[in-house]
Amino acid sequence: EDQVTQSPEALRLQEGESSSLNCSYTVSGLRGLFWYRQDPGKGPEFLFTLYSAGEEKEKERLKATLTKKESFLHITAPKPEDSATYLCAVQTGNQFYFGTGTSLTVIP
Amino acid sequence: NAGVMQNPRHLVRRRGQEARLRCSPMKGHSHVYWYRQLPEEGLKFMVYLQKENIIDESGMPKERFSAEFPKEGPSILRIQQVVRGDSAAYFCASSPNQGATNYGYTFGSGTRLTVV
Repeated sequence: EDQVTQSPEALRLQEGESSSLNCSYTVSGLRGLFWYRQDPGKGPEFLFTLYSAGEEKEKERLKATLTKKESFLHITAPKPEDSATYLCAVQTGNQFYFGTGTSLTVIP
Repeated sequence: NAGVMQNPRHLVRRRGQEARLRCSPMKGHSHVYWYRQLPEEGLKFMVYLQKENIIDESGMPKERFSAEFPKEGPSILRIQQVVRGDSAAYFCASSPNQGATNYGYTFGSGTRLTVV
């Protein structure tokens, strides 16, 4: 059965304290792994797509990496405005399978 | 470009009533996807539509739920005879073509359905 698991469920960081979020997956026929950011009361906002093991993508303080079984979202020197829920999703066929997300809080 | 527009943002229905959720995709997008997000759960795929066609409805409950994307107008997700378990946030996403993996899908802000 296709599964996406994210950890930790919640993460509190001091401003400037770097950390990583994990997304592990078991799917057949992976077409892509996606990271989204979701703010309260809003829809997911696209961040990155990764296609193959070893691939990395960066955007401002965020860097996403991919292995054959998991992906990491590294956040370097986070700021309070980075506080949000970060969702991981894998695409197989027409569907995305989403994890339940990591709720990140960055304290000033 | 106004992005993916969903309305209403909030919808309250009594048990047994019908709920209609609307989604207007981004300009130039002809593919629409509906997802449901229950509290403490991840987004779950419901249905994938193109204009006038249902492509994949494998995530739709077999009863009471239906979706359409007519030639003109928004996509509609319809829930008949709502029950409390239908309370959730319903998100619509659109893409210009099937897959659109380079940029992900563009999501709307969702409709929050509350059944009382």
